[in-house]
Amino acid sequence: GAVVSQHPSRVICKSGTSVKIECRSLDFQATTMFWYRQFPKQSLMLMATSNEGSKATYEQGVEKDKFLINHASLTLSTLTVTSAHPEDSSFYICSAREAGGGEQYFGPGTRLTVT
Amino acid sequence: GENVEQHPSTLSVQEGDSAVIKCTYSDSASNYFPWYKQELGKRPQLIIDIRSNVGEKKDQRIAVTLNKTAKHFSLHITETQPEDSAVYFCAARDSGNTPLVFGKGTRLSVIA
Repeated sequence: GAVVSQHPSRVICKSGTSVKIECRSLDFQATTMFWYRQFPKQSLMLMATSNEGSKATYEQGVEKDKFLINHASLTLSTLTVTSAHPEDSSFYICSAREAGGGEQYFGPGTRLTVT
Repeated sequence: GENVEQHPSTLSVQEGDSAVIKCTYSDSASNYFPWYKQELGKRPQLIIDIRSNVGEKKDQRIAVTLNKTAKHFSLHITETQPEDSAVYFCAARDSGNTPLVFGKGTRLSVIA
């Protein structure tokens, strides 16, 4: 099956700093990538949808200037959490889908802890 | 947009018994309904999915049923085992370029 990787798997950063998370589709071209956030014991909440070469579409309540998403190639999308605060601590999971729709393949997630 | 409701939020069953998790969706255009199993700290794993042109699908001990008229779908796990213990999420999506919308999850505990 299709493989999606994420890096880093865990990151601890200080409040006020920025953190970049990478999501890669390893064996297919992902025209669309999704970024989800999951707080403890909660469901996956969609943050934004990004199509290769286009600006990301953010869900209501998600600050686009705080969560910068770049999808510059068909195999790589990045999420940068800017000026991180402790309340941004969460499990961030990306998901990728090929052109034409179909299954969404999930990355292994990144656990962000902001101290 | 789509809204997915999932029940129950927690479910405990004895090993060997069956477990049923139910979801409802709001968007009649949705036509793809996957179920995911997520273990602590790991990514969701697709366990079974169903499309709107099918009413039921089975894969060994796991089955999913879909009622398009009522807009609900269910996951059935038979002969449960302790390793089935996890959080299960249902999701729904239409055929366009839209993302999956997830239910809130069900924490299943199988007691040996």
